[in-house]
Amino acid sequence: AQSVAQPEDQVNVAEGNPLTVKCTYSVSGNPYLFWYVQYPNRGLQFLLKYITGDNLVKGSYGFEAEFNKSQTSFHLKKPSALVSDSALYFCAVRDPMTTDSWGKLQFGAGTQVVVTP
Amino acid sequence: DSGVTQTPKHLITATGQRVTLRCSPRSGDLSVYWYQQSLDQGLQFLIQYYNGEERAKGNILERFSAQQFPDLHSELNLSSLELGDSALYFCASSVGLAVNTGELFFGEGSRLTVL
Repeated sequence: AQSVAQPEDQVNVAEGNPLTVKCTYSVSGNPYLFWYVQYPNRGLQFLLKYITGDNLVKGSYGFEAEFNKSQTSFHLKKPSALVSDSALYFCAVRDPMTTDSWGKLQFGAGTQVVVTP
Repeated sequence: DSGVTQTPKHLITATGQRVTLRCSPRSGDLSVYWYQQSLDQGLQFLIQYYNGEERAKGNILERFSAQQFPDLHSELNLSSLELGDSALYFCASSVGLAVNTGELFFGEGSRLTVL
């Protein structure tokens, strides 16, 4: 079974400082990993994905994530946070070896990011 | 704007009632997914349809059902509603069958309140 964990309910960071949102996963095969962001009263928006290839993945709005197979992690990072980055961030995983989950992304519980001016 | 349209945006009803949530996917997307977001359960996958056929099932209660119509819009039917069904219900769509690209396009959700 696939699962994903986001160990922090909330991350607080000052504007201009680096932002990191942590995610660890558990799948039986090589994972497909994703980050989504949810702004208040809005649906989720895709940020980036790791399928294969370079471990450092770049996405929307200046975000990037690093896939670390040995640590089973896929942490989201941004070098300099903006107040407008304040939102709820979800890590998600799909196990491509599990054919009965073609449509299912397993989402983490979400991490609330608060960026203060 | 993701291109996915969900109606209604807000719905308040009583226990025991039945409601229908509607979703229009992005133009050209054949797959529709339903997710439930609640404070205690987080974001839970309910069900997926592809071109009118059910393709994957998640933690969907027997009181809930869904379908996808020939014009590709989808409806999620929730019956015998309980207080615990109060949640935000998201529809998402994608082009293909498998979520290989991982990019789901989410609607803004339908907030259901059961009193």
